[in-house]
Formats: sequence, structure tokens, C-alpha cells
Amino acid sequence: EVQLVESGGTLVQPGGSLRLSCAASGLTFSIYWMSWVRQAPGKGLEWVANIKQDGSEKHYVDSVKGRFTISRDNAKNSLYLQMSSLRADDTAVYYCARGLSFGYWGQGTLVTVSS
Amino acid sequence: DIQMTQSPSSLSASVGDRVTITCRASQGIRNDLGWYQQKPGKAPKRLIYAASNLQSEVPSRFSGSGSGTEFTLTISSLQPEDFATYYCLQNNSYPLTFGGGTKVEIK
Repeated sequence: EVQLVESGGTLVQPGGSLRLSCAASGLTFSIYWMSWVRQAPGKGLEWVANIKQDGSEKHYVDSVKGRFTISRDNAKNSLYLQMSSLRADDTAVYYCARGLSFGYWGQGTLVTVSS
Repeated sequence: DIQMTQSPSSLSASVGDRVTITCRASQGIRNDLGWYQQKPGKAPKRLIYAASNLQSEVPSRFSGSGSGTEFTLTISSLQPEDFATYYCLQNNSYPLTFGGGTKVEIK
């Protein structure tokens, strides 16, 4: 069974930093693109970033470019999102998802940016 | 950026009804489109990939069609567990973009 488990979400002050993790099991992690998708409270879904199988290619939505960094460790079957210069509008549930078409999703982790 | 216009934004339907949701892309995306179902407080779940391919273990009452700029998700006979919000996603070009969602409610 494919499992994606996010962690690291918490309350953080504006301007702060945070690293999210996603632990994968039940799949051959190293053969898939992986993505982060977020959902602000009561809002729709927004793709944030994705990363190629070997980490050689990364893409970001404009609103996080220069502030967020996606990375992965295939030896640990883990995906990461390093977030800095956080703003109130980054408040959301952050999901990790498998592949370019998001075939599987984690349960999400809540990031709240507030003073 | 490719804009995905989803309609309607909400609908009321009864169990057994046929339901159709549409997504229009602002430019051609071939068949690079997926459909997702999300229930309150839960993660989204993929129903359809590549416009018309049914995800494994998804009931056959769900179907997808279309290519280019116009796409449709059809639920042939709405069941109680289908009341949820549905989203389309284009994965043809960056940034990947979702439609605004369609909330399917009980009439």
C-alpha cells in the first residue's frame, strides 16, 4: 500500500522558516516525480513545486520562487520543502503527492503563518 | 499560465442523477488532465488521469472525456458517497494549475 506521510507543519511567525518532510513507503520512490500541493483554509488546491526523480529538475509556482526549495533523498524515501520568508498567505495544508499527475496524496500537514 | 475554468462551481443533485462537470483550458493541453475528488477534511483522491483513464479501484460510474481545451467528468448515477468537491488539474505545462472546484451537494 502506498503511503505518504507529511510532517513538520506548525505555527510560525511571518518572516520565519520551516521545513516540511514527506516519508514515502509502499512505492519505488526513486522512479517518481514528486510534488507539493497546498490548500489555504476554505480555498481550492494550488500546486507549489515538483522535483524530478534524480533531483536534477525542479519547478515552482511564481509565488514561492526564491523562498521555497524542494528537495528529496531517495535513500531515505523522503521529500522535503524548505520554506523561508513565510507570509500569512502561505497558511495552508501542505500535501505531498506522487508523480506528475498526483496519483497518490498524503494526509497533509498544516502550516499557519501568524504573529 | 494556463487557466482552468471549471463549471459549475456548485450543483445540487439527487442520488441516482447523472452529473456532468466541465473544465475548459485557456489553451490546448492535449489530454494532460486529471480529475480529483475531495471530501471535507480529507486529502484529494485521483479519479481520472490522462483525461479518460479510470484510476484503479475507482467505480466505473465515473468517466472522463475530452482533449485539447474542453474536458468533462461524468458521474453516471450519483451515489451518497459521491457528495464532495471535484477539481480538474492540467499537467501539460508549468505552472500546473487546478480548476476552481465544483461542490456537489445533496438536493
